[in-house]
Amino acid sequence: QKEVEQDPGPLSVPEGAIVSLNCTYSNSAFQYFMWYRQYSRKGPELLMYTYSSGNKEDGRFTAQVDKSSKYISLFIRDSQPSDSATYLCAMMNTGNQFYFGTGTSLTVIP
Amino acid sequence: DSGVTQTPKHLITATGQRVTLRCSPRSGDLSVYWYQQSLDQGLQFLIQYYNGEERAKGNILERFSAQQFPDLHSELNLSSLELGDSALYFCASSVDRDSPYEKLFFGSGTQLSVL
Repeated sequence: QKEVEQDPGPLSVPEGAIVSLNCTYSNSAFQYFMWYRQYSRKGPELLMYTYSSGNKEDGRFTAQVDKSSKYISLFIRDSQPSDSATYLCAMMNTGNQFYFGTGTSLTVIP
Repeated sequence: DSGVTQTPKHLITATGQRVTLRCSPRSGDLSVYWYQQSLDQGLQFLIQYYNGEERAKGNILERFSAQQFPDLHSELNLSSLELGDSALYFCASSVDRDSPYEKLFFGSGTQLSVL
């Protein structure tokens, strides 16, 4: 079983839709949770990070963590064509080691 | 721009050859990480250096090696290259001053094509 599981998609939504991206994990030592966005042929860029259960909002993006279920989500409201990218979840354990999901490819259709 | 610089951007070489990928971390960042990204495997952690010393090793092949120099730049050496080594290789850096909430900043990657 992989440490981090993420549905690869692809996901295709119309502009303005709400997008939900999810990851599950198996290691309860993960304490810090991140979402990265990666455009084609570019490096991943940090989008959001959180270290507690609950919701964290930043503009159109909301990161949600449920440690009891070992489940994290990223919600994108009012999705835009510029949101089209691959979204990777990432987690860090207490040893400062990072684990990435395989990424979900998102296309927002104008 | 993340502040992490990787060179070259593209590398085309033949099987059996050896190449060196270079990474300059963000100013002030002490940790450098190397990742391999292929379509079917996602981001695979290879190795991490902290202030010149190897800190953690992931799924790095014996044909691959890395080092971090006193000026904190890092090089990833890939030898006896095989077709399956074709991938995007990313370098990332973080401050890593014992903070539990490190942020990883990625370079733009080196696209390696082994023919």
